[in-house]
Amino acid sequence: QQQVKQSPQSLIVQKGGISIINCAYENTAFDYFPWYQQFPGKGPALLIAIRPDVSEKKEGRFTISFNKSAKQFSLHIMDSQPGDSATYFCAASRGGGSARQLTFGSGTQLTVLP
Amino acid sequence: DAGVTQSPTHLIKTRGQQVTLRCSPKSGHDTVSWYQQALGQGPQFIFQYYEEEERQRGNFPDRFSGHQFPNYSSELNVNALLLGDSALYLCASSYGSGANVLTFGAGSRLTVL
Repeated sequence: QQQVKQSPQSLIVQKGGISIINCAYENTAFDYFPWYQQFPGKGPALLIAIRPDVSEKKEGRFTISFNKSAKQFSLHIMDSQPGDSATYFCAASRGGGSARQLTFGSGTQLTVLP
Repeated sequence: DAGVTQSPTHLIKTRGQQVTLRCSPKSGHDTVSWYQQALGQGPQFIFQYYEEEERQRGNFPDRFSGHQFPNYSSELNVNALLLGDSALYLCASSYGSGANVLTFGAGSRLTVL
């Protein structure tokens, strides 16, 4: 019940295209869904996050779409740029007074071709 | 404003040895969480320290232990190293144990031969 499943494993997109990464979860107690971006040799950096009471959140070229009934959420990167080439992780966590721990997906390696 | 700093950045150990990794949280943060990231995988939660106590633990054996100091810095200790312990060990800090936003360090790359 703690798993977060992420797809695809790798993604190649042309510059200016749209990158879409999908995640699914099982535990309905999750109440926070962040996306992290990781460059080689660096730690993950928070990109954008959403709570389940919102169906969509947009920050610049990055948008999270959230489907609570399907227990799925996705990251859309509009106008993808070569500088977006990195590994992206979806994650989920739950609160309820306990210490928060993030459960990560397995990651998507995005390559944006110039 | 310094972010999360970890040391050492790389280290090589042999099976059966012990290792200690160190983490200084971002200024203003009081909670430290440790994650293990195997090659090509997402990070996995090891444990969280808040107020110098282990608050929550993931599915890791007792060979993994930690400590938090009064200045909020933290150590991760791994005993009796196995080949499978080879990974990037990430430290993340936050303000409060229930905080959503984590700031990650660049990690310590451990290779066990």
